[in-house]
Amino acid sequence: DAKTTQPPSMDCAEGRAANLPCNHSTISGNEYVYWYRQIHSQGPQYIIHGLKNNETNEMASLIITEDRKSSTLILPHATLRDTAVYYCIVRVTLSAQGAQKLVFGQGTRLTINP
Amino acid sequence: DTGVSQDPRHKITKRGQNVTFRCDPISEHNRLYWYRQTLGQGPEFLTYFQNEAQLEKSRLLSDRFSAERPKGSFSTLEIQRTEQGDSAMYLCASSPRQGHIQYFGAGTRLSVL
Repeated sequence: DAKTTQPPSMDCAEGRAANLPCNHSTISGNEYVYWYRQIHSQGPQYIIHGLKNNETNEMASLIITEDRKSSTLILPHATLRDTAVYYCIVRVTLSAQGAQKLVFGQGTRLTINP
Repeated sequence: DTGVSQDPRHKITKRGQNVTFRCDPISEHNRLYWYRQTLGQGPEFLTYFQNEAQLEKSRLLSDRFSAERPKGSFSTLEIQRTEQGDSAMYLCASSPRQGHIQYFGAGTRLSVL
């Protein structure tokens, strides 16, 4: 019941910007968009999240469209170590205590080429 | 290392045996999650703890699965009478009381022969 759609795979040249799209057309007004990545044989790693404004941190930038139905994760200068599966997730609230389960789709397998 | 720790990293067992995995969350994180990931798929939620209380369980968590967090710190996930379909990566994540970012461990990869 993933609420997001991502391309299954993408390629990017080392040193270039990697732009990973995500569609979340059924997102609710109070739901955040999260991005995680998973390098082979490791656990998922948090990258960035946002509600409606664009966000930037030391790892990446997140651009969310005005209607919030899609977003793009930008890795400004991709390196070989950025090769991973990238997951776009819409947070699901579980309980009144504010717990959340993350509903992962199949993600985008990003390959950075030398 | 102050991240989420999982033990063992790999477990090979024969069908029908019981296995137990351990997760040590980041210190003072009161929320703890278990997920399962099969090959080529994203992780799927299994269960959630707030302190020692198990507040949510997925229907994926059959009667053969049990999870505990007795003192609100580390957690264990036990699978009884393992089946080949239980082969997967079992991931643990934790988050702080006031935060919402989940930090994952490296996982335990289970192979049932």
